[in-house]
Amino acid sequence: AQKVTQAQTEISVVEKEDVTLDCVYETRDTTYYLFWYKQPPSGELVFLIRRNSFDEQNEISGRYSWNFQKSTSSFNFTITASQVVDSAVYFCALSEVVTGNQFYFGTGTSLTVIP
Amino acid sequence: DAGITQSPRHKVTETGTPVTLRCHQTENHRYMYWYRQDPGHGLRLIHYSYGVKDTDKGEVSDGYSVSRSKTEDFLLTLESATSSQTSVYFCAISGSIYDEQYFGPGTRLTVT
Repeated sequence: AQKVTQAQTEISVVEKEDVTLDCVYETRDTTYYLFWYKQPPSGELVFLIRRNSFDEQNEISGRYSWNFQKSTSSFNFTITASQVVDSAVYFCALSEVVTGNQFYFGTGTSLTVIP
Repeated sequence: DAGITQSPRHKVTETGTPVTLRCHQTENHRYMYWYRQDPGHGLRLIHYSYGVKDTDKGEVSDGYSVSRSKTEDFLLTLESATSSQTSVYFCAISGSIYDEQYFGPGTRLTVT
């Protein structure tokens, strides 16, 4: 079973639209960490955010915001007023540190922002 | 940007040959990781290291070995490459097990 599920394989939006990327995770650990990474067409992986399992506060950074809900095991990512530069593959990841140090990435969501 | 380099950046090799990929960091981070990225699978952890000579297996470790003799270097070896190991390999580093990881530029390996 997938530990991190990103059900949206590809999303296309028109510039300035808002878009939400979904991430659902599965773990039995009570302490874990969740991450989002961005992979632009150039191929590098860029860290966006880290969230630990005890902090359910939503976070906003400019046009980016994250909604963490333990009740639904979700850690969704919203881009407000999307721009062409947001076009990339976005990965959600889970770090389990209690049952064993393992790291799991989702399969990614490819976002295309159309000008 | 974190100082992480990978070498080679591209390699084509034949089935059955040994291959070693190198990851070098200048950040003095304790943790280093090797991932492979394949279409439809995202990134999958192969092995990681939590110190010099301390390594552990990841999700897809079969067919791979690693070594870390110095803090700054983490080597990934394919003892006998197979076509299923054609992939893009990423190295990553982090200061602790709880921290975000910073990734190298990747190595594209093709096994023919």
